[in-house]
Amino acid sequence: KNQVEQSPQSLIILEGKNCTLQCNYTVSPFSNLRWYKQDTGRGPVSLTIMTFSENTKSNGRYTATLDADTKQSSLHITASQLSDSASYICVVSERGSQGNLIFGKGTKLSVKP
Amino acid sequence: DVKVTQSSRYLVKRTGEKVFLECVQDMDHENMFWYRQDPGLGLRLIYFSYDVKMKEKGDIPEGYSVSREKKERFSLILESASTNQTSMYLCASSLNGRSSGNTIYFGEGSWLTVV
Repeated sequence: KNQVEQSPQSLIILEGKNCTLQCNYTVSPFSNLRWYKQDTGRGPVSLTIMTFSENTKSNGRYTATLDADTKQSSLHITASQLSDSASYICVVSERGSQGNLIFGKGTKLSVKP
Repeated sequence: DVKVTQSSRYLVKRTGEKVFLECVQDMDHENMFWYRQDPGLGLRLIYFSYDVKMKEKGDIPEGYSVSREKKERFSLILESASTNQTSMYLCASSLNGRSSGNTIYFGEGSWLTVV
C-alpha cells in the first residue's frame, strides 16, 4: 500500500536553532516528492518539488534532500525563525497518475523565542 | 502569482442542509482538487477534475458531489450535510492535466461546522 510517514509528529525548538524533519515513503512507481508549509488556519504553500534524479534542493533557509534508493526525504531548516512555526507536509506523487498524491500527516513545528 | 480563491472561509450549517463550497483559480489550470483536512488524518482527496465537466472520485467521495462547468471554477456540494462532515475543506489546482509533476496551489481553506 502506498504510504507516506513523517517524523516527528511534533517538534519544539528555540529560535535560531536548526532542525530536520523526516519523510519515508513506500510509493511506487515514484514520480516526485514535495514539501509544503502550512501555517495554522491557512492553506499549504509549496516549498520544494523533487524528482527522482534530484538529491538536494534549497529554497532560502529550507533544504530538502531525497534518497530515492532508500525512499527517504528530509527537510532541513537553518537558523529557525518564529515564522517557521507551522505544519510541514510531505507529499509523494505516483508516476503515471493524475490525481494520486499521497500525503503525509505532517510535522508540527513550534519555534520558541 | 497563482491565486486559488475559496468563497467562504467559515460556514456553520445545520444537519440536512445542502452546502455549496466554491473555488475559483485564475491561472488557467486544467487540474482542480477538493480535499478535506482533519486532525491526525492529514489531507484526504474527495474529488478531482482534469477538465471541464470531467470528474473523478478520490479516496472519500461518499456524501459529496462536484461540478465543473467552467475551467476556472470547481464546486463541492454536500447534498445533505451531516455532523461528520465538519472539517476544513481545501481546494487546489495545478497545470497539465496528465502530468503529476507540477506544483499544486492551494486555497486558504473553508472551515465548515455542521450542527
